[in-house]
Amino acid sequence: DAKTTQPPSMDCAEGRAANLPCNHSTISGNEYVYWYRQIHSQGPQYIIHGLKNNETNEMASLIITEDRKSSTLILPHATLRDTAVYYCIVEKAAGNKLTFGGGTRVLVKP
Amino acid sequence: NAGVTQTPKFQVLKTGQSMTLQCAQDMNHEYMSWYRQDPGMGLRLIHYSVGAGITDQGEVPNGYNVSRSTTEDFPLRLLSAAPSQTSVYFCASSYASPSTDTQYFGPGTRLTVL
Repeated sequence: DAKTTQPPSMDCAEGRAANLPCNHSTISGNEYVYWYRQIHSQGPQYIIHGLKNNETNEMASLIITEDRKSSTLILPHATLRDTAVYYCIVEKAAGNKLTFGGGTRVLVKP
Repeated sequence: NAGVTQTPKFQVLKTGQSMTLQCAQDMNHEYMSWYRQDPGMGLRLIHYSVGAGITDQGEVPNGYNVSRSTTEDFPLRLLSAAPSQTSVYFCASSYASPSTDTQYFGPGTRLTVL
């Protein structure tokens, strides 16, 4: 399974876009990119996932580079409630598990 | 739907005691998993199940047993608790495999082993 690299922490301003990078340079063709987040002491929450194309839903946008070696999660208008640890996960199709790394601790400041 | 429920929310055990952490889901999901999360760390997979009667080991299975007699329930048994098992335990479920479908997580069980 491919491994991911994320910055350990980042701050962003309330109301501004938050861009969270993830490097997955060893990703293979059948592996998806998943993003989950974990708000303090709660269970992780699904955000978005993609294979090749950029994806958008009501929570966020996922931008995957053409070579698929990196991706960016975009929270378009960060709120204080978006303060959480964000996990970028790469997993092959039909895999039976998700492997969580250290994630990025995001602090949204007023 | 209640989603994924876990009981108890908190538990304190003495070394050597055994107990069962309960997990139930009412979404008719085939896939269920148990993770543990140590302070400041990411989640690590303990055991998982792809359907009733089928279980498999994850990354850190030692000291834990699971069974899946029904689709709804996936209990995690600690055979002889050790201080190293002090952690927060999360149960998760999904309709299809976690790499192709959203996983839903329970609220967690906070376990302390003295």
